[in-house]
Amino acid sequence: AQSVTQPDIHITVSEGASLELRCNYSYGATPYLFWYVQSPGQGLQLLLKYFSGDTLVQGIKGFEAEFKRSQSSFNLRKPSVHWSDAAEYFCAVGDASGGSYIPTFGRGTSLIVHP
Amino acid sequence: DSGVTQTPKHLITATGQRVTLRCSPRSGDLSVYWYQQSLDQGLQFLIQYYNGEERAKGNILERFSAQQFPDLHSELNLSSLELGDSALYFCASTWGTGNGYTFGSGTRLTVV
Repeated sequence: AQSVTQPDIHITVSEGASLELRCNYSYGATPYLFWYVQSPGQGLQLLLKYFSGDTLVQGIKGFEAEFKRSQSSFNLRKPSVHWSDAAEYFCAVGDASGGSYIPTFGRGTSLIVHP
Repeated sequence: DSGVTQTPKHLITATGQRVTLRCSPRSGDLSVYWYQQSLDQGLQFLIQYYNGEERAKGNILERFSAQQFPDLHSELNLSSLELGDSALYFCASTWGTGNGYTFGSGTRLTVV
């Protein structure tokens, strides 16, 4: 069964600093990979996704993620964090086997941004 | 506004009661997914419907059931509620395999 690990429960950065959120997955084939963001009291919003092709994926709000097959990782990055980026970030991995696509979500990383 | 509408936003009910949560998917999306989010379990997949038919089941309790209607809206029915059922319940929709979900803003259920 597929699994997703987000090793950091909380990450604290200063506004303007760079950010990297880690995500490791366990899956036999090439997975579908996603990053979502959840602001307080809101649903999850898709930041970016990877299916195939270029392993560096650009998303919304200035985020990018890099798929590294050798490390089974899909880390999320942003060069300069804004205070409005404070939120919960979820990595998810899925597949389309059997015609039913159900991603598994990590437990999330809470991003705290200091002024 | 994501295009996925969930009602009600908040629900407070007593143990043993039954509630119905409603979800209208984004226009054009045929698949609807229900998730439960709690502090101890994280985001748990409950059930998926595709164009009116059940497609996949996750960690859904027997006390819970769902259906998707011809107009593609979906309802999640939770019965014999327990304190541990208190959680955020999200609906998400998608139009194709692997396109990523569009989530609603959720229903916060509190069982007292």
